[in-house]
Amino acid sequence: DAGVIQSPRHEVTEMGQEVTLRCKPISGHNSLFWYRQTMMRGLELLIYFNNNVPIDDSGMPEDRFSAKMPNASFSTLKIQPSEPRDSAVYFCASSLKEGTQYFGPGTRLLVL
Amino acid sequence: GENVEQHPSTLSVQEGDSAVIKCTYSDSASNYFPWYKQELGKRPQLIIDIRSNVGEKKDQRIAVTLNKTAKHFSLHITETQPEDSAVYFCAATYRDDKIIFGKGTRLHILP
Repeated sequence: DAGVIQSPRHEVTEMGQEVTLRCKPISGHNSLFWYRQTMMRGLELLIYFNNNVPIDDSGMPEDRFSAKMPNASFSTLKIQPSEPRDSAVYFCASSLKEGTQYFGPGTRLLVL
Repeated sequence: GENVEQHPSTLSVQEGDSAVIKCTYSDSASNYFPWYKQELGKRPQLIIDIRSNVGEKKDQRIAVTLNKTAKHFSLHITETQPEDSAVYFCAATYRDDKIIFGKGTRLHILP
């Protein structure tokens, strides 16, 4: 199995631009998680889906952030408009229900 | 509320010595406790986990202990090696699938 796939791996954009991060979970996994990691705040859960349905989005920082999971093999995290403080590494992870979470390689986002 | 406290934030040990990282959790319903290792610039990767029906689990040089009464769990690394240098995260489940992570421990193995 290829594991969790994320794209892009690196993104540099200017403040105000829209950013879309993509994730393909491990085939057969029914839970998907989006995390943000910064030095100051550590690893934060933004939102997670179970069977493509958003279960908990309490970690989404603002309305500028949105996430979708249109099917079992694809999810997006969108930031619109982006701000410099959104600069971080964004990880996607997937798991079977109540199972081990496997992380993707992450997207390193820099907003100038 | 959901909370996982992890200590220490930084730990330096001499190569060959043991390292211990401790965590506490707040939700008495938590039943799964994974530990992740993150090397610089890489993704967190599971190194060991324990479920609430056991008190201890060992995998070669790594062991984890769980005290459900006290809501404590710990990671023990014996005979540390340079490749053990990394950031380690403890975590605990909260409401089924959700996992709450500790803030991490940066482990330095000194030559």
